[in-house]
Amino acid sequence: QVQLQESGPGLVKPSETLSLACSVSGGSVTSYHWSWIRQPPGKRLEWIGSLFNTGKIEYSPSLKSRVSMSQDTSKNQFFLRLKSVTAADTAIYFCARLARVGSWYYFDFWGQGTLVPVSS
Amino acid sequence: SSDLTQDPGVSVALGQTVRITCQGDSIRNWHASWYQQKPGQAPVLVIFGTNNRPSGIPDRFSGSNSGNTTSLTITWAQAEDEADYYCMSRDSSGSHLLFGGGTKLTVL
Repeated sequence: QVQLQESGPGLVKPSETLSLACSVSGGSVTSYHWSWIRQPPGKRLEWIGSLFNTGKIEYSPSLKSRVSMSQDTSKNQFFLRLKSVTAADTAIYFCARLARVGSWYYFDFWGQGTLVPVSS
Repeated sequence: SSDLTQDPGVSVALGQTVRITCQGDSIRNWHASWYQQKPGQAPVLVIFGTNNRPSGIPDRFSGSNSGNTTSLTITWAQAEDEADYYCMSRDSSGSHLLFGGGTKLTVL
């Protein structure tokens, strides 16, 4: 059973960089695809980006200029960095495993999510 | 358009059947998945590949497609089915993923 756990700062100041880590257990980060998803309080889910086991990375067009994803195979973690944050980036950030079978894409395992407020 | 459109809210009487829809051009080419999210919890996958259920999801949940619309059907709705439901698919160009706006299901 795959388990994911997000970790990061409890608060980020405007204009600074938000950095989160997702620790994976029960599976290797090199064997699967991984994603970040966020949800502003009371609002819809928003896909941020996906890191494929081929090395390909896809980002949301609306965040592409500010976001980057990476992984550390030695720690079995993957990461999110979102720069130049504003209050609009305040959200619960989820990491998830992305499964792909042909034209099927789906998130089969999720972390519990971590709330990241952006405030001075 | 690359959007996935869902009705904001739907209600169903206890024990009845409800269909939640998700409309978008990308549905013609890419299979959708559905997620159930209860307050304060992470989303849970309930349908993938249009009409496949993960293990542990009751067979009251099913999915289907018709043209540019994909649907999640819950038969014999239970009180514990009250939640927000999101569809997800690839966009029309196949270059990124996107979620629908979500549907709040109320079980009366």
